[in-house]
Amino acid sequence: DARVTQTPRDKVTEMGQEVTMRCQPILGHNTVFWYRQTMMQGLELLAYFRNRAPLDDSGMPKDRFSAEMPDATLATLKIQPSEPRDSAVYFCASGRPDGTSAEAFFGQGTRLTVV
Amino acid sequence: AQSVTQLDSQVPVFEEAPVELRCNYSSSVSVYLFWYVQYPNQGLQLLLKYLSGSTLVKGINGFEAEFNKSQTSFHLRKPSVHISDTAEYFCAVRGGSGGSYIPTFGRGTSLIVHP
Repeated sequence: DARVTQTPRDKVTEMGQEVTMRCQPILGHNTVFWYRQTMMQGLELLAYFRNRAPLDDSGMPKDRFSAEMPDATLATLKIQPSEPRDSAVYFCASGRPDGTSAEAFFGQGTRLTVV
Repeated sequence: AQSVTQLDSQVPVFEEAPVELRCNYSSSVSVYLFWYVQYPNQGLQLLLKYLSGSTLVKGINGFEAEFNKSQTSFHLRKPSVHISDTAEYFCAVRGGSGGSYIPTFGRGTSLIVHP
C-alpha cells in the first residue's frame, strides 16, 4: 500500500534550534507539496516541487525556512532558527497531477512544537 | 487565482440524519475538485473527486458530491451519518488539464455527529 512517509511524527524543540522535517513521496510521483496547518490559517502552501525543481515557495518565510529535494525519494523542510510561532502541523503531499488520479496524497504530518 | 469557500466552520448533526457540507470555488479556468477527510492526528484522506464527466460523484464511506458549474459549487452529502463520520472535511480545487497543479484548500468544516 503506497503512502507518503513523514518523519518525525512529533517534534518538540527549543526556540532558536534548527528543525528538519523529512518526507518520502510515493514512488513514481513527480510533484511534492509542503503545507502548514494551524487553527488560525488553515492549510497554507509553503512549497511546491515538480520533477525535484522548486516551482513555488512564495508561501514560505524565506529568512528562516528552506525546502529541498536532494533526490526523488526525499524532500526536506528546514527551519533555522525556529520560533514559537512556527508551532504547527506540517504536511507533505505528493502526486502525479498530469496522470489520471490528479489528487495529492498526504502524509501523516509532523507536529512541531517550539517552546 | 483560485480560491475555495467552505461556508460552515462547524456542522452538528444527529446520528442517522442526512448532512450537507457546502463548498464554493472561484477559478477562471476549468477545475478539478476534491473532498478530503481528516481524522484527529492524521493526514488528509481523499473522499472523492470530480475531474470530468458525470456531475454526481460517489466516494468512500457513502459520501457523494455534485459539481454545479453555474453555481461554482461542489457540495458534499451523505444521506445518513454515523458517529464515526465525526471529522474535519476539506474541499479543494486545482486547475484542470493545462491549469495550475497546486491544490487550494478551504478552511475546513468540522462535522460533529451526536448520538
